[in-house]
Amino acid sequence: DSGVTQTPKHLITATGQRVTLRCSPRSGDLSVYWYQQSLDQGLQFLIQYYNGEERAKGNILERFSAQQFPDLHSELNLSSLELGDSALYFCASSFSGTGVTGELFFGEGSRLTVL
Amino acid sequence: AQSVTQLDSQVPVFEEAPVELRCNYSSSVSVYLFWYVQYPNQGLQLLLKYLSGSTLVKSINGFEAEFNKSQTSFHLRKPSVHISDTAEYFCAVRERNTPLVFGKGTRLSVIA
Repeated sequence: DSGVTQTPKHLITATGQRVTLRCSPRSGDLSVYWYQQSLDQGLQFLIQYYNGEERAKGNILERFSAQQFPDLHSELNLSSLELGDSALYFCASSFSGTGVTGELFFGEGSRLTVL
Repeated sequence: AQSVTQLDSQVPVFEEAPVELRCNYSSSVSVYLFWYVQYPNQGLQLLLKYLSGSTLVKSINGFEAEFNKSQTSFHLRKPSVHISDTAEYFCAVRERNTPLVFGKGTRLSVIA
């Protein structure tokens, strides 16, 4: 158990809909990262928050947004969903924002299926 | 920007045989290198990492990787694999103050 909690574990929805994925980081970790894992693209970095502020942005679509709340949990909002958004979405956390040691602690992921 | 290439998408190997999972990276600056493992239906876990110092790093379960700057490689090896090593292995690279960038993964299947 990594200590990172993601909900829901599975989600099935239709094209055009909007969903919210939730992540609670390990106790004491200030940084939250979101990654998308798909068969063709592999693990793609989406966005990082550190102590409530956006720290880094990767290949995140404009239809997607995220935030980190004062209690440090984070939400990833996916809107106007398309079939291609079907993927496993991982949240990871680390203590620092720069994360020199590079160790991220991953949740078990939220599997999104768009029909 | 940094990138990672894992040369094999799937590697089948018999139990107790040696294995090497290959990883090459591209970066113009100093990097930190990592191997993560993902068991079925689980998140990724750190297996080992190279930050500085000795170029040979080892994990607690018998894996090792060697940082080769001239070859820009960080291959993962184990002299004798077990069934329980069946998983997907991800090589990752990080430049200072940037997020981890992962390779596409190598699925290791250990055959009894």
